[in-house]
Order: sequence, then structure tokens, then C-alpha cells
Amino acid sequence: SSELTQDPAVSVALGQTVRITCQGDSLRPYFTTWYQRKPGQAPVLVIYGKNNRPSGIPDRFSGTSSGNTASLTITGVQAEDEADYYCNSRDSSGNHSWVFGGGTKLTVL
Amino acid sequence: QVQLVQSGAEVKKPGASVKVSCKASGYTFTGYYIHWVRQAPGQGLEWMAWTSPNSGGTNFAQRFQGRVTMTRDTSISTAYMELSGLTSDDTAVYYCARDRSRQVPATELDYWGQGTLVTVSS
Repeated sequence: SSELTQDPAVSVALGQTVRITCQGDSLRPYFTTWYQRKPGQAPVLVIYGKNNRPSGIPDRFSGTSSGNTASLTITGVQAEDEADYYCNSRDSSGNHSWVFGGGTKLTVL
Repeated sequence: QVQLVQSGAEVKKPGASVKVSCKASGYTFTGYYIHWVRQAPGQGLEWMAWTSPNSGGTNFAQRFQGRVTMTRDTSISTAYMELSGLTSDDTAVYYCARDRSRQVPATELDYWGQGTLVTVSS
């Protein structure tokens, strides 16, 4: 089982705002990275560091963190945002090793 | 442009080993960490390990300790991940990915290979 817990599935109406959460004790001292994964494609980095977006990622994607919970918010969801989303952070051992959350399947209605 | 090109699909028997290659182009190979991530059928992403193409340093997820060997050939900008003692649970798509963080590994994976399907079956 993953040390990072995500809701398995979330749905949102087109154009609305959705928050995808990731919980874990190891999140407290470290940044959380977020990835988008569409079927048949490699994952895409969408948020890293405090709240940074790689070039090409729309500004409707943002990341926040509070205590042991990290969140990915998509404001004004588009149809193309339907995908699996994974959080990633250091594992609880404190070594330079990492763990992914179980993933959240986002459905756009 | 940055590219990571992985070796082709493999079919292995239980107990065997598999070696996946990841050839980098479009950037200085030794300047960025390489991570390996896998995804089994119907499962989520699983972080496996990172390697420094510059120093050869590595670190692994606890569950892969003793089974994963990471090597690199800087002359051809290629990283390798070898997994031994294969079982059916190792059937997965294996990805290499570049870490945009250059000072320390951080799993800020900005470029990914296309994935290599490894099937373990008797």
C-alpha cells in the first residue's frame, strides 16, 4: 500500500473547479510533485516545488499544501484534463527515495 | 529537443533478469539525474530508483534493494536498469525519466521515455 493516499476517483462538470488531494505524513516537510497520466501516454509533470508549472502547463493548474495534505486544483476544468493524477513525494524513511500516491481518476462530465 | 528513447519490449521467464536501456539526447546527459518508474497492469505508478549519470550514484526503493542494478555509459548517453529475480508481479511498463532538479534528486520528472513493456511469464 502507498504511503500517500488519494481518492480513487473524482468527477467534475466542464468549466468547474476540482481539487485533488494527497495525504501522507511524509508530506509535511517536503514538496509534492503532481503528474497527469492519460491512457497510453507517459506521465506529464504538471506541478513541482512550492507551486511551479513547467513550460506548457496551463495556469489553471495549481498546487497547495497544508500540514500532511497536498492538493492539486484545476480551475475551469477542460475536457482534455480528464486523466489520472498522481502525487509524489519523499517516502517516510527520510532517505533520497520517493513514493507515488495511488492515483485519482478525474472524470469530466 | 530532449528525448529519452528506451529499448523494446521484453518477455522473460520467472527467475530471469531484464536489462532496459534509456538513451538520452538533446541535453547534457551527465547534468541530470535519471529516475526509473514502473506501472503494472491496472496499477498506479511506482517509483523504483534514481541514478546520477555523472557520479554513478544510485538509490532504490526499499522493495527493490538487492534486485536492481543501475549502470550508465556516458560515451553513448545511455542509462541502464537491470532487474533480477523476475516474478509475474514484475510485469509492467518501465519508464526512465529525467529529473529537472540538477543539484539533488527531486523526482521533478520533466521528460520521460516512451516506456518498455516487460512481461514475465512461464
